[in-house]
Amino acid sequence: KNEVEQSPQNLTAQEGEFITINCSYSVGISALHWLQQHPGGGIVSLFMLSSGKKKHGRLIATINIQEKHSSLHITASHPRDSAVYICAVPLFSGSARQLTFGSGTQLTVLP
Amino acid sequence: NAGVTQTPKFQVLKTGQSMTLQCAQDMNHEYMSWYRQDPGMGLRLIHYSVGAGITDQGEVPNGYNVSRSTTEDFPLRLLSAAPSQTSVYFCASSYSRQGRNSPLHFGNGTRLTVT
Repeated sequence: KNEVEQSPQNLTAQEGEFITINCSYSVGISALHWLQQHPGGGIVSLFMLSSGKKKHGRLIATINIQEKHSSLHITASHPRDSAVYICAVPLFSGSARQLTFGSGTQLTVLP
Repeated sequence: NAGVTQTPKFQVLKTGQSMTLQCAQDMNHEYMSWYRQDPGMGLRLIHYSVGAGITDQGEVPNGYNVSRSTTEDFPLRLLSAAPSQTSVYFCASSYSRQGRNSPLHFGNGTRLTVT
């Protein structure tokens, strides 16, 4: 079974700072998900990636399959980026049907 | 498109009562799943389905039943609610092709309290 660890658990930044959130997992995977949970509770998918790097606006996600590690970066952070960021990977190698989730990183961006 | 619609948003039950959490999606997604989210813990998979008539258990299935009679709907049933089932429940869906899924689309969640 895959084990997921996220760090840090909590992160406070000043507006404009560069943010990095890390996710490590224990078993080889086909793809990793990054999710954002808004303060109101809603969850949206940010990225699904299986190799390299993806970029969407100020958000960048990278994954190193050999190191079993992924990072989510936010450039020029803004208070509206304040949310919980969650990574998720397949629970078992070779199966995308069951995901296991990290406990999340609570990000607070101060104006 | 409405996306993934969950109802109700809030529910209070007494121990032993039964209820059904509804989940519907209008994106023709094959894969649908139910999760619970508890403080300090990650989302945990309860049950999932890869198509009409096909369901399977996730990490924490005890106390919950599901069925998938149509592609659109995936209800979660609590037959006899227990205080340990107090949680926030999320339904999610995605495309599923040859064992690979696309990004998940989540409903807005149901906050359930069992007294």
